[in-house]
Amino acid sequence: LAKTTQPISMDSYEGQEVNITCSHNNIATNDYITWYQQFPSQGPRFIIQGYKTKVTNEVASLFIPADRKSSTLSLPRVSLSDTAVYYCLVGVWGTDKLIFGTGTRLQVFP
Amino acid sequence: DAGITQSPRHKVTETGTPVTLRCHQTENHRYMYWYRQDPGHGLRLIHYSYGVKDTDKGEVSDGYSVSRSKTEDFLLTLESATSSQTSVYFCAISDEDTEAFFGQGTRLTVV
Repeated sequence: LAKTTQPISMDSYEGQEVNITCSHNNIATNDYITWYQQFPSQGPRFIIQGYKTKVTNEVASLFIPADRKSSTLSLPRVSLSDTAVYYCLVGVWGTDKLIFGTGTRLQVFP
Repeated sequence: DAGITQSPRHKVTETGTPVTLRCHQTENHRYMYWYRQDPGHGLRLIHYSYGVKDTDKGEVSDGYSVSRSKTEDFLLTLESATSSQTSVYFCAISDEDTEAFFGQGTRLTVV
């Protein structure tokens, strides 16, 4: 199982772009990289998933270098409502026992 | 939102009593999971299921058992609750080549 490492916390201001990097040195060939967002007292919510290069949706972008040993979640122009914990997971849902790390606590200030 | 419901949402129980938490889905997804989350920690996998009557242990399975007699329901049982099992419990569902969807959680307090 690929273990992930993320910064414990990050601070930002409204309107800024936030990049959260996740390290996963022992990622397997079939593994996908998935990011989740969690607000207090709620279950995690899917943000974005990718395998390689770049993926973009209406919420975020995910950048994955060629060696896939790391990935970066990019949140454009964050707002106060983006204050949450962000988790990076590596594996395949249903095939692997996907383990959450401690996540990155993002605090957005006005 | 994905059709996933956890019950009860809140429960207070006494040490030594059995407790069963229910996860119900309407998505017909194959895989179901139980996680616990404690203050300052991420989610830790307790048990998961890859089909009816097919379950496996996660990273913190001691003191917990599960059952899945039909696709839509995944039950988590604490045979004899202890204070260390006070936590928020999340259920998740997923299917082939999809991400997982999480329930709203069950806050369990063992006194």
